[in-house]
Amino acid sequence: DAMVIQNPRYQVTQFGKPVTLSCSQTLNHNVMYWYQQKSSQAPKLLFHYYDKDFNNEADTPDNFQSRRPNTSFCFLDIRSPGLGDAAMYLCATTGRGNEKLFFGSGTQLSVL
Amino acid sequence: SQQGEEDPQALSIQEGENATMNCSYKTSINNLQWYRQNSGRGLVHLILIRSNEREKHSGRLRVTLDTSKKSSSLLITASRAADTASYFCATGLSNDYKLSFGAGTTVTVRA
Repeated sequence: DAMVIQNPRYQVTQFGKPVTLSCSQTLNHNVMYWYQQKSSQAPKLLFHYYDKDFNNEADTPDNFQSRRPNTSFCFLDIRSPGLGDAAMYLCATTGRGNEKLFFGSGTQLSVL
Repeated sequence: SQQGEEDPQALSIQEGENATMNCSYKTSINNLQWYRQNSGRGLVHLILIRSNEREKHSGRLRVTLDTSKKSSSLLITASRAADTASYFCATGLSNDYKLSFGAGTTVTVRA
């Protein structure tokens, strides 16, 4: 059974129209991550949570925000998507920092 | 920021052959991990090697780590068509919850 679930698998949005991607985990892990991955590139960390402590990467655009209302759920909000934000967005979790990460299947975002 | 660099970028082999890919990194690490990603899917953890380990095996996978050269290699023996995927190394630093990923090696196994 999937332990990290991302919805939806595919998301199409319009340029400038806010979009929210969701992630849930059944592992009760403290740490959750959001990565952005563009075609044939490395996953790039956007931010991570340790419990409710939010940690933003220095180069993550202000356009990207996140919410973690409880241990199980985490959301990625893109306030005004641009064409350059089209990518695969990967959610991951771990129980012990920088040990094995469990990834969801990702949400492929298209911006028209 | 991205710390790992992988080599080669792409690799094509015949089924049954071995596949070797390398990862180099820049700073001292706590551990190094390898992940596999099938096309359009999430990443799956394969193996973790700690900074005080030199070699680790898991099934058909063999990972080496040379901290003096800041490099690691992943060997897949007796490859199968199902091994076709992208393989990423990721480095974890001490006292940090983050993993930095390399750009990956795309492996194609021909039947």
